[in-house]
Amino acid sequence: GQQLNQSPQSMFIQEGEDVSMNCTSSSIFNTWLWYKQDPGEGPVLLIALYKAGELTSNGRLTAQFGITRKDSFLNISASIPSDVGIYFCAGQGNQGGKLIFGQGTELSVKP
Amino acid sequence: NAGVTQTPKFRILKIGQSMTLQCAQDMNHNYMYWYRQDPGMGLKLIYYSVGAGITDKGEVPNGYNVSRSTTEDFPLRLELAAPSQTSVYFCASSWRLGLKEQYFGPGTRLTVT
Repeated sequence: GQQLNQSPQSMFIQEGEDVSMNCTSSSIFNTWLWYKQDPGEGPVLLIALYKAGELTSNGRLTAQFGITRKDSFLNISASIPSDVGIYFCAGQGNQGGKLIFGQGTELSVKP
Repeated sequence: NAGVTQTPKFRILKIGQSMTLQCAQDMNHNYMYWYRQDPGMGLKLIYYSVGAGITDKGEVPNGYNVSRSTTEDFPLRLELAAPSQTSVYFCASSWRLGLKEQYFGPGTRLTVT
């Protein structure tokens, strides 16, 4: 079945630094989503992307739907301590519209 | 609106015991989902439902059962708990199958020993 590879697995950065993470797939996706999960909570949707090449921002977060439709990127600018958490990409392909999730990127921000 | 609620928040089971994880949503969403999340892994879909009376298997359905007698509720049943079912379980709901806003509950942390 369709699978997503998300990298990096974890990141330790200084407050104020920019962050970049990505997801790749061996097959095409029609929708890319980025979620954030705080400790002990369920994932919360950050950004949704629907078209190849689409670039969408949500505050300090920017995500892009890759031209090949096989990848997506999430950038966080000027990180702050509350950005700490696990970020998941999710793709919707042709398997009945169900979401496939990446393994997550755990972000730690040092004040 | 309470959104998606899950109970219990934590549970410890002995091998072979059974239990039901409860999930309810008050957003009148037709679609509901159960995922499990293992350490360092993404969410794996266990079962989903496109409406009352209709359920279907996801990626990892073995060892679980679901029912959907109402739009609001989507319980997940473990009949014979095994250590491999130790995980965090998330319920989610959405307007349309897999389409953008899937709203997640806070999760149930289950340990089977």
